[in-house]
Amino acid sequence: GESVGLHLPTLSVQEGDNSIINCAYSNSASDYFIWYKQESGKGPQFIIDIRSNMDKRQGQRVTVLLNKTVKHLSLQIAATQPGDSAVYFCAENIQGGSEKLVFGKGTKLTVNP
Amino acid sequence: DVKVTQSSRYLVKRTGEKVFLECVQDMDHENMFWYRQDPGLGLRLIYFSYDVKMKEKGDIPEGYSVSREKKERFSLILESASTNQTSMYLCASSPSRGRGGDETQYFGPGTRLLVL
Repeated sequence: GESVGLHLPTLSVQEGDNSIINCAYSNSASDYFIWYKQESGKGPQFIIDIRSNMDKRQGQRVTVLLNKTVKHLSLQIAATQPGDSAVYFCAENIQGGSEKLVFGKGTKLTVNP
Repeated sequence: DVKVTQSSRYLVKRTGEKVFLECVQDMDHENMFWYRQDPGLGLRLIYFSYDVKMKEKGDIPEGYSVSREKKERFSLILESASTNQTSMYLCASSPSRGRGGDETQYFGPGTRLLVL
């Protein structure tokens, strides 16, 4: 089975609230993680990435947290907007392995006005 | 900005037809990938290529072949389309780790293929 998974398949939030999307991974050798956003009918779009030597990385309105102890990754979106409605999925790469990514199945985020 | 383009957004084909899906990237990336995406199954890797004329099977290569004659172009071929190949097909590219690139893959807009 896949080594990258999700805690929740769907998430519904109110506009302006903060959103937290979670991802669990099982391979402790993974050293690079990416969050993608996929809007309906479009290809996945890179949001933010993090290497295993970090536990937090911030972008514009987004923060990725990495907890290597429990092999957990999360994406936090501040002040969620209707344009944030999409499927979000995480991906991992294994240190020293091939340059392929292993993808989670995704969480659908719905932002209610 | 990285740009990955796919030849068609929507395609309708008949069972048994030979289907070509084309992907072009403009960032001189070494690696290119073909995935299919189905509800509940996520992204599944069909084939990838790490150099011109090089290819490796992914997780679900059966029924597909690929061609990489030029660095910027990676083609997916369905030799004899079947209804279970109806899906969203996504192409991606990434720079080689050996060139100092990370493993981030950049995706095209996708081709939604319907096989009747």
